[in-house]
Amino acid sequence: EVQLVESGGGLVKPGGSLRLSCAASGFTFSSYSMNWVRQAPGKGLEWVSSISSSSSYIYYADSVKGRFTISRDNAKNSLYLQMNSLRAEDTAVYYCARDKVAHFDYWGQGTLVTVSS
Amino acid sequence: QSALTQPASVSGSPGQSITISCTGTSSDVGSYNLVSWYQQHPGKAPKLMIYEVSKRPSGVSNRFSGSKSGNTASLTISGLQAEDEADYYCCSYAGSSTPCVFGTGTKVTVL
Repeated sequence: EVQLVESGGGLVKPGGSLRLSCAASGFTFSSYSMNWVRQAPGKGLEWVSSISSSSSYIYYADSVKGRFTISRDNAKNSLYLQMNSLRAEDTAVYYCARDKVAHFDYWGQGTLVTVSS
Repeated sequence: QSALTQPASVSGSPGQSITISCTGTSSDVGSYNLVSWYQQHPGKAPKLMIYEVSKRPSGVSNRFSGSKSGNTASLTISGLQAEDEADYYCCSYAGSSTPCVFGTGTKVTVL
């Protein structure tokens, strides 16, 4: 059974940093591109970042470019999102999602990031 | 890349059919047959319902179907059931650097 479990969310002050993790199991993690998608409270979904299976290709939404860094460790079946210079508008539930040819077939349960003083 | 446009809400009675539209541009929906649809119940993670415009993942009811014409994609739910009440989001591929542009989301209400 495919499982994606996010962790690392919490309360952080504006300008602070946080690192999210996503532990994958039940599939060959190293064969798939992975993504982070977020959802602000009461708002819609927003794609944040993607990373190819071997980390050769990495992309970011304009809203996080230069502040967030996506990475993965295929030996540990884990995906990461390093978030720096956090802003109030980054407050959201962050989901990791498996990428299967331009669609996301499995999602984690999400982890809440709250940016507030 | 701007969000794709969806109606804020759509409603129908049990057993009826409803259609949700998803309007993009020639740079996303109109250029690729890579539109997907996601169902999200309150407090839950999104669930893939349709991919590549009209394909259904294993386990998804055949009451859900997708189509596309020009820059607009559509999701149709036939035989509406109470469990279909949820938020629905479309997503279109818009190039290698933008694997998904989400729609604004549609709340489906079963009357």
